[in-house]
Order: sequence, then structure tokens, then C-alpha cells
Amino acid sequence: AQSVTQPDIHITVSEGASLELRCNYSYGATPYLFWYVQSPGQGLQLLLKYFSGDTLVQGIKGFEAEFKRSQSSFNLRKPSVHWSDAAEYFCAVGELIGGSNYKLTFGKGTLLTVNP
Amino acid sequence: KAGVTQTPRYLIKTRGQQVTLSCSPISGHRSVSWYQQTPGQGLQFLFEYFSETQRNKGNFPGRFSGRQFSNSRSEMNVSTLELGDSALYLCASSLDPGPYTFGSGTRLTVV
Repeated sequence: AQSVTQPDIHITVSEGASLELRCNYSYGATPYLFWYVQSPGQGLQLLLKYFSGDTLVQGIKGFEAEFKRSQSSFNLRKPSVHWSDAAEYFCAVGELIGGSNYKLTFGKGTLLTVNP
Repeated sequence: KAGVTQTPRYLIKTRGQQVTLSCSPISGHRSVSWYQQTPGQGLQFLFEYFSETQRNKGNFPGRFSGRQFSNSRSEMNVSTLELGDSALYLCASSLDPGPYTFGSGTRLTVV
């Protein structure tokens, strides 16, 4: 069965510093990969996705992620963090369950705190 | 363009009662999925509907059920509520195929 591991439960960075959130997945085929962000009391907002093609994916809010098949990783990066980026971040893998249909398996999330 | 709308936002129920949650997907989206989010178990897949048919179901007891209407709106029902059912229930819709867009969720508290 597919699984997603986010090794860091909580990360604290200073505003303006760079950020990298780690994600490792286990999936037998070529994965669909996603990063979502969740602010307190809110739903999930899609930051970026990887379906195929270029392994460096650009997303919203200045985020990017790189798919590395050899390392089964899909790490999220941002060169300069803003205070408004403080939130919880979830990595997810989409498991194909028939045709083009898939269901998401999420990691446990990484809580990001941004210090002024 | 309106997003995924979930109602109600908050709900308090007593053990043993049942509850129905509603989800209106983005216009044109025919796939609707439901997820449960708890501090202990994280985000877990409940079920997915497409064109009024349940295509996949997660590992939840039969007390959890759902349906989808011809306009793609979806409801999920939990019968005989237990304290452990307290969670944020998230609905997501997508074009099929496509990435899921999530609603803001319904926070269910069982007392």
C-alpha cells in the first residue's frame, strides 16, 4: 500500500530564510504527488502537483517542489519565507484506483512556524 | 468561480445520534471525495463519488455512508455517533482527472 512520510513534525524558520519541507513516499507505480497547505480552522489549499514531465514543479505563493524518483522524495522549497506562510503543510500521493481516478494518501503534516 | 461549499461549518451532536453533512462541489466537477481529519490519525480517505456512483471506499465502518445527487452535490451520513467520530470532515471535488479542490470542512464535535 502507498504511504507518505513527512519526517519533520514542526519546523521553525525566520522570516526571509529559505525553507525545505521533506516528503518521502512509497508507491509502486509512477506517482501523482501533491503539496497542500492548511491554515488553522481551514480546508486544504493546493500548492502544487506533479503528474509527469519536468521533475521541478512550480506552484503558487513562490513554492516549488522537486520529484526525485531515485530517492522517492518530493521536497517542497521556498527561497524566502514570509510570515503569512505559517501553516501546516501536507504532502500527498495519489493512488490510481481505476482509469484516471485516484485517491489521496496524506502524510502526517509539517507545522511551519515563522519567526519575525 | 465559487469554491467547494460545505455546510454546516460547525456541528455538535450527542453520542448515539446521527448526522448529515453536505458538500456542493465546484460547478462542473463531477468527482467528490470525503476525508476525515483528526489529530491522531491525520487525513483519512472516506469515499469518492462520480456521477452518483460510489467508486471507492476507505476503511471506515458501515456507520459512515454517503451519496451523490444528479447535480453532483454530495452528502455524508454518520449514524450512531461515537466520541471518536469528532473530527474535521473535508469534502473535495475535481474534474476527472484533475487535482482535488477542498472545502473549508465541517467541524463535528460529539459529546
